[in-house]
Amino acid sequence: AQSVTQLGSHVSVSEGALVLLRCNYSSSVPPYLFWYVQYPNQGLQLLLKYTSAATLVKGINGFEAEFKKSETSFHLTKPSAHMSDAAEYFCAVRDPYGQNFVFGPGTRLSVLP
Amino acid sequence: DAGVTQSPTHLIKTRGQQVTLRCSPKSGHDTVSWYQQALGQGPQFIFQYYEEEERQRGNFPDRFSGHQFPNYSSELNVNALLLGDSALYLCASSPSGTENTGELFFGEGSRLTVL
Repeated sequence: AQSVTQLGSHVSVSEGALVLLRCNYSSSVPPYLFWYVQYPNQGLQLLLKYTSAATLVKGINGFEAEFKKSETSFHLTKPSAHMSDAAEYFCAVRDPYGQNFVFGPGTRLSVLP
Repeated sequence: DAGVTQSPTHLIKTRGQQVTLRCSPKSGHDTVSWYQQALGQGPQFIFQYYEEEERQRGNFPDRFSGHQFPNYSSELNVNALLLGDSALYLCASSPSGTENTGELFFGEGSRLTVL
């Protein structure tokens, strides 16, 4: 069975600082990995996805993530945080043969002025 | 181009009642998935519909049922509501043929409160 863990339920950074949100997955087959963002009272919006092409994936709003098979990780980064980045971030895994996504518990990002 | 739309946005029910939530997928999408997101948690997969049939189901009891219509819209029904059913219910759509690599497109959800 697949699973996703996200270290740190709440991360706080200062505006302009590096953002690092951690995601580790467990999968019996090479996975497809996704990061979604959820703003208050809204649905989930795709930030980026890894589907076995380049291991460094660039997404929207300046975010990127690197797939590291040896570490079973897919951490999300952004060089410089902006106030508008404050939201809940979810990592998700989908196996190539399944239909559903398995989401992590989420990390709430706060950006301090 | 309208995205995924859900209704109602908010509703309050009492224990034992039944609820129906509705979803219209993004234009061009024929596959609809439903997720339950409890407060402070990630979304949990309920089931997926394609060609008007349930294609896959998560670990949810039979009280949770669904339907997909010929126009690809979908309903989620929950019977005999429990307090623990209080959550944000998210509908997500995707086009068939992208099962391996495609992402899900989410609506803004229906927030159900059970008293």
